Amino acid sequence: QVQLVQSGAEVKKPGASVKVSCKASGYTFTSYDINWVRQATGQGLEWMGWINPNSGNAGSAEKFKGRVTITRDTSISTAYMELSSLRSEDTAVYYCARVPQDNYYYYMDVWGKGTTVTVSS
Amino acid sequence: DIQMTQSPSSLSASVGDRVAITCRASQSIGSYLNWYQQKLGRAPELLISAASSLQSGVPSRFSGSGSGTDFTLTISSLQPEDFATYYCQQSDLTPWTFGQGTKVEIK
Repeated sequence: QVQLVQSGAEVKKPGASVKVSCKASGYTFTSYDINWVRQATGQGLEWMGWINPNSGNAGSAEKFKGRVTITRDTSISTAYMELSSLRSEDTAVYYCARVPQDNYYYYMDVWGKGTTVTVSS
Repeated sequence: DIQMTQSPSSLSASVGDRVAITCRASQSIGSYLNWYQQKLGRAPELLISAASSLQSGVPSRFSGSGSGTDFTLTISSLQPEDFATYYCQQSDLTPWTFGQGTKVEIK
């Protein structure tokens, strides 16, 4: 079945970096963009950025530019989101979600279960 | 950035009730509007895309309407499994943005 399997929970110190992985299965990895969304405890959803696994083209929200790097490895159908210069406000659950390409409309139709990142000294 | 404003922020309703959640965009987004359901401790799930297109497997009691700046998610007869938080999201322009969420609770 179609699924996105994310890496396990992380605990990091302020100033460190974290790299979260998202492994796709059950569909053609290069036919869907992967987007990243985060959610702080008790808060709403915040879109971070995206990558086209076919071309490698990626983009991120202005808020995260300079701190977030989104990459992929097509040989293992996996996308990555690396966030640097972590601060306590980055403590959140990070989700990956796929978006069909070549569609007139864009939507996140399959989500990973989420990766909890805790930033604490 | 496009601001998405949902109302109400929370509501209490009974099983069988008809429920409507509205979402307003700060500028016209055509039909680039999606609705997600999120249950406690779980990832969001897509209910409706392109303002009114029901996702495969989603019960027909869910429906979406609207275009431009004003949108509505309607649940025609609330079921116990529908108690959750609902988010609208625009995909017209990056950064994609979400509404603040509407929590649907049991009365």
